[in-house]
Amino acid sequence: GIQVEQSPPDLILQEGANSTLRCNFSDSVNNLQWFHQNPWGQLINLFYIPSGTKQNGRLSATTVATERYSLLYISSSQTTDSGVYFCAVGDNTDKLIFGTGTRLQVFP
Amino acid sequence: GAVVSQHPSRVICKSGTSVKIECRSLDFQATTMFWYRQFPKQSLMLMATSNEGSKATYEQGVEKDKFLINHASLTLSTLTVTSAHPEDSSFYICSARFGRGLLNEQFFGPGTRLTVL
Repeated sequence: GIQVEQSPPDLILQEGANSTLRCNFSDSVNNLQWFHQNPWGQLINLFYIPSGTKQNGRLSATTVATERYSLLYISSSQTTDSGVYFCAVGDNTDKLIFGTGTRLQVFP
Repeated sequence: GAVVSQHPSRVICKSGTSVKIECRSLDFQATTMFWYRQFPKQSLMLMATSNEGSKATYEQGVEKDKFLINHASLTLSTLTVTSAHPEDSSFYICSARFGRGLLNEQFFGPGTRLTVL
């Protein structure tokens, strides 16, 4: 099956800093989603981005499907950005395979 | 985005009892619902895929007689953990999808934290 790896595993930032999270996957995909899991466990949809670039406020994402990676950019980080960020990819079975996650802590 | 609810949010039960978790899509009809399990500080693992009106498809290693899934309508799927034991304690999360192809995005419920004593 598809392998999904995320880096870095942990990230500590001061408020206001920018960061880039990476998601590598081992095979072609027809679905890629980025999520933020808040401290209560709720998964919040950030981007549905099987290819191309999207932006939503301070967040943006780029997926280069031919090179099998996706990047999530967080600019001007805030304490409320803390949590775990997951990317998940789907193959032709439509199931989502989750990556290992990046745990982000933003300090004031 | 689409809204998915789960009930209950937290349950504590004694070993040997059965627990039912409900997953509802509130503002759309879900062609497919999924059940995941997450242990502390780990990623989500898919347990089963549920299509309305048909039997669920379980992932390798997931006991279908222990984790009973019923997808009775396009807005409701239930997961029953039968004869629960302490090792079943985990965070269970459902998701729903209302289409395929370009409508492939999954939306997640808030999760149910199960503790088996």
